[in-house]
Amino acid sequence: NAGVTQTPKFQVLKTGQSMTLQCAQDMNHNSMYWYRQDPGMGLRLIYYSASEGTTDKGEVPNGYNVSRLNKREFSLRLESAAPSQTSVYFCASSAGTINNEQFFGPGTRLTVL
Amino acid sequence: QKEVEQNSGPLSVPEGAIASLNCTYSDRVSQSFFWYRQYSGKSPELIMSIYSNGDKEDGRFTAQLNKASQYVSLLIRDSQPSDSATYLCAVNRDNYGQNFVFGPGTRLSVLP
Repeated sequence: NAGVTQTPKFQVLKTGQSMTLQCAQDMNHNSMYWYRQDPGMGLRLIYYSASEGTTDKGEVPNGYNVSRLNKREFSLRLESAAPSQTSVYFCASSAGTINNEQFFGPGTRLTVL
Repeated sequence: QKEVEQNSGPLSVPEGAIASLNCTYSDRVSQSFFWYRQYSGKSPELIMSIYSNGDKEDGRFTAQLNKASQYVSLLIRDSQPSDSATYLCAVNRDNYGQNFVFGPGTRLSVLP
């Protein structure tokens, strides 16, 4: 039982390049989330998926797209990376019920040059 | 006013002491409350959740909630150097968790 997994762990991009961050969970959770964490800014929600087939914007969605591929997988895509997107990205999942504890993956550290 | 506020710290306590971490929130309709621990370079790890006014104990950790005062705290008894980390308070503004808001975190240092 791996919980929430993310790939890659580290990535360096040049401005304008694209990439997709992958996330998968094996806890049969309905809801999944993408956060970014920056020094002094805390964790900020980028996008979330309340259930398979639905996605919604969070606090900071600009420059990102997401796909809920199936119940297990939720990917985050940067179409044209910018230095402002240098951050640590965390995926999380929750049951999506009234007891909505979120569980986090190990994170992806992204640097955009 | 920020939605979830915490003292940034660092909060330093000697080994064996009680560490007290505080969190205030602005949205009165918030339903559930969580404490996460985050070691440097690692992901947040859920420690405690609390949903009702009062205290909830789990081992050396006690979470306290006062909805009237919009205040939630975490007490760590018999603090150990391994407790040194950043502690994040999170508030869920509805029952179904799409409105999770994290505080900026309090850095705790337990001195041997």
